[in-house]
Amino acid sequence: QQPVQSPQAVILREGEDAVINCSSSKALYSVHWYRQKHGEAPVFLMILLKGGEQKGHDKISASFNEKKQQSSLYLTASQLSYSGTYFCGTEWSSGGGADGLTFGKGTHLIIQP
Amino acid sequence: DTEVTQTPKHLVMGMTNKKSLKCEQHMGHRAMYWYKQKAKKPPELMFVYSYEKLSINESVPSRFSPECPNSSLLNLHLHALQPEDSALYLCASSQEGQLLNQPQHFGDGTRLSIL
Repeated sequence: QQPVQSPQAVILREGEDAVINCSSSKALYSVHWYRQKHGEAPVFLMILLKGGEQKGHDKISASFNEKKQQSSLYLTASQLSYSGTYFCGTEWSSGGGADGLTFGKGTHLIIQP
Repeated sequence: DTEVTQTPKHLVMGMTNKKSLKCEQHMGHRAMYWYKQKAKKPPELMFVYSYEKLSINESVPSRFSPECPNSSLLNLHLHALQPEDSALYLCASSQEGQLLNQPQHFGDGTRLSIL
């Protein structure tokens, strides 16, 4: 079951903030966030576990609301290098080991100078 | 540069050809993955190997045949592919084959075109 990402696209000026949401109708075990630039591999940003934790990395942070089955990615004071497509990937406990990820459709982020 | 190396970077093949995609990692990871990504779409999971054993096959057609010769290598054998199989094929690895919540490290992918 594919998670739902919103918005589909965002255009920002450098220095502005953005929020990207990822929600699921199915109970989540964890949410992974990746950024992919055109023609490149997806790059890991962070993992959020069920339990409502919040993580941060430089000016990018994320939260996981277990009650809502939703994760949000926060981009603060955006930089040109933040441009790309952001994917959330979800995994459900298979009870047996390594799971692949089911990715949302992605949010295309454009940062303008 | 990524720590997961995929070869070749580009591949053009006819529908009757047999070819293989290769993926290698030297991070000591025990789980490896194949994803397929069409243009402007998210990666779609194809196969998962955990400790060199196939643990997940997402109903992929038999014209795709994965192989994990050892913990560092992952192959994807291709035979009698269709034009709709043209896509970017991504390999990924993660640290521990028995645990969830491990970040996946992606290779740069092989861009495959079927004539």
